[in-house]
Amino acid sequence: AQSVTQLDSQVPVFEEAPVELRCNYSSSVSVYLFWYVQYPNQGLQLLLKYLSGSTLVKGINGFEAEFNKSQTSFHLRKPSVHISDTAEYFCAVSEPYSGGGADGLTFGKGTHLIIQP
Amino acid sequence: KAGVTQTPRYLIKTRGQQVTLSCSPISGHRSVSWYQQTPGQGLQFLFEYFSETQRNKGNFPGRFSGRQFSNSRSEMNVSTLELGDSALYLCASSSGQGEGYTFGSGTRLTVV
Repeated sequence: AQSVTQLDSQVPVFEEAPVELRCNYSSSVSVYLFWYVQYPNQGLQLLLKYLSGSTLVKGINGFEAEFNKSQTSFHLRKPSVHISDTAEYFCAVSEPYSGGGADGLTFGKGTHLIIQP
Repeated sequence: KAGVTQTPRYLIKTRGQQVTLSCSPISGHRSVSWYQQTPGQGLQFLFEYFSETQRNKGNFPGRFSGRQFSNSRSEMNVSTLELGDSALYLCASSSGQGEGYTFGSGTRLTVV
């Protein structure tokens, strides 16, 4: 069974500063990795995903993440944050399903990104 | 393209009652999964359906059940509601492996 650990429950950052949100996973097989963002009282929005290939993945809103297989990490980064980036960020993993379709997601506990003016 | 639609958005129920939540996936998506989100436990996987078959189930009691129809729409049912079932229930649909899930806005269930 897979699991996801988000090492920081809360990350305060000043506006226009860079940020890194950390995510580590464990799984006995190859996985797909995702980052989602959740704004208050809303569902989750996909920021980016890693399936295979290039380990640096670019997503929406200027976010990117790097897959590191040896460290089983998938950290999310943004070079310059904006007030509007204040939200909850979730790292998630799913395992390939041989029967077709898609498997369910296992989520980390989330990291609350707080942008300070 | 319409997104994932969940109804109702808000629901208040009494302990012991049952509830049915509905989810309409994005057109063409055959995978639908359900998640429970609470402040204490975070996002927890409930179950996942593909072509009307439940393929995966999370660690929830049998009071939680679901089904998927031939048009991929899905429902989840919770019987004998408990106060601890109060949560945001999220539905998500996917077109296939590794494509990620598109989430609905959720149904906020409050059990009193």
